[in-house]
Amino acid sequence: GNSVTQMEGPVTLSEEAFLTINCTYTATGYPSLFWYVQYPGEGLQLLLKATKADDKGSNKGFEATYRKETTSFHLEKGSVQVSDSAVYFCALRGGYSTLTFGKGTMLLVSP
Amino acid sequence: GAGVSQSPSNKVTEKGKDVELRCDPISGHTALYWYRQSLGQGLEFLIYFQGNSAPDKSGLPSDRFSAERTGGSVSTLTIQRTQQEDSAVYLCASSLVGGRGEAFFGQGTRLTVV
Repeated sequence: GNSVTQMEGPVTLSEEAFLTINCTYTATGYPSLFWYVQYPGEGLQLLLKATKADDKGSNKGFEATYRKETTSFHLEKGSVQVSDSAVYFCALRGGYSTLTFGKGTMLLVSP
Repeated sequence: GAGVSQSPSNKVTEKGKDVELRCDPISGHTALYWYRQSLGQGLEFLIYFQGNSAPDKSGLPSDRFSAERTGGSVSTLTIQRTQQEDSAVYLCASSLVGGRGEAFFGQGTRLTVV
């Protein structure tokens, strides 16, 4: 079956530091890949997505590239802000199957 | 509607009572998902409705949990004889059928069993 593995947190950074949150997946076929974000006290919202190999999703300064050869979809941001503090979930969806999520990674950014 | 709507937003119930949680998906979205998020935990898949196909119920934790989707739109998640371990935020999401579209989430129902 499908599965997503992402690095455990919390990830603690100072403002303006570089961020990487690793995500790898196992799936049959060619799934779509997503990063969702959950800000404190709020619901899940889509951050970015990629639907085929070598696609790069980007939004709000965050980027992730769909790497089929390494089955990865790592999230990166060049300079984090305090407002980026949230829980980040990597997810995949293949064909007509349900969304499969990783366990989430909490990011804490200090001024 | 403009987004996925869930009701109630908060529910406190006594142990042993039944509860019903409602989800109104985005109009035109034929795929609907229920997840559960316990405090500080990730998302636990519960059930997935895909168009007119039989739902994927593989995530339901026990036979106390059931869900239905009427007319391909509104869905109700029912928990019978609630237990304290059922306390969590129940999230509903909807999407277009097919693998490429993202799922849009509601704000969730926070269930507390006392």
